[in-house]
Amino acid sequence: EVQVLESGGGLVQPGGSLRLSCAPSGFTFSNYAMSWVRQAPGKGLEWVSGISGSGGSTYYAGSVKGRFSISRDNSKNTLYLQMNSLRAEDTALYYCAKAYIGISYFDYWGQGTLVTVSS
Amino acid sequence: QSVLTQPPSVSAAPGQKVTISCSGRSSNIGNNYVSWYQQLPGTAPKLLIFDNNKRPSGIPDRFSGSKSGTSATLGITGLQTGDEADYYCGAWDSSLSAYVFGNGTKVTVL
Repeated sequence: EVQVLESGGGLVQPGGSLRLSCAPSGFTFSNYAMSWVRQAPGKGLEWVSGISGSGGSTYYAGSVKGRFSISRDNSKNTLYLQMNSLRAEDTALYYCAKAYIGISYFDYWGQGTLVTVSS
Repeated sequence: QSVLTQPPSVSAAPGQKVTISCSGRSSNIGNNYVSWYQQLPGTAPKLLIFDNNKRPSGIPDRFSGSKSGTSATLGITGLQTGDEADYYCGAWDSSLSAYVFGNGTKVTVL
């Protein structure tokens, strides 16, 4: 059974940093691309970033490019999202999602970890 | 403002059919596969349709997907109260090198 578990969310001041982690299980982690998707309170889904199975290719939404960095450690079956220069508009529930065939769709999602950017 | 455009809401009585449109451009829907996600209140999104019209195991055939040109459509037949949720379309955008979602459609069962 595939399970996806996020962690690392919390309250951070504007301009601060936070690192999210995602620890999936139930599949061969290194074979699949992964992504982070966020949802601001009362708003829709916004794709944030994606990474290939090997970690050699990374992709970012324009709204976070230059501030966020996605990475993975296939030896630890863990995905990361390093978030710097955080803004109030980054406040959201951040979901980790397993991708299929590159990043064509997301077949498994975690329950999300909440990031709140506020002074 | 989302790259893919969906109607904000649709509604119908139990047992009826609803369709949700998703409009994009050649760089996303026109040349890439479309997927659809259901988000029940307070829960994580769930994959409903992938590769334009395929259903994952466990998704009933009341849900269907189609694509034509730069638009896609999700259909739900035999509407049930348990189908009340937000529905999102998504696709890879080759020009942006990013995945894009629609703005979401709220389905209400009258």
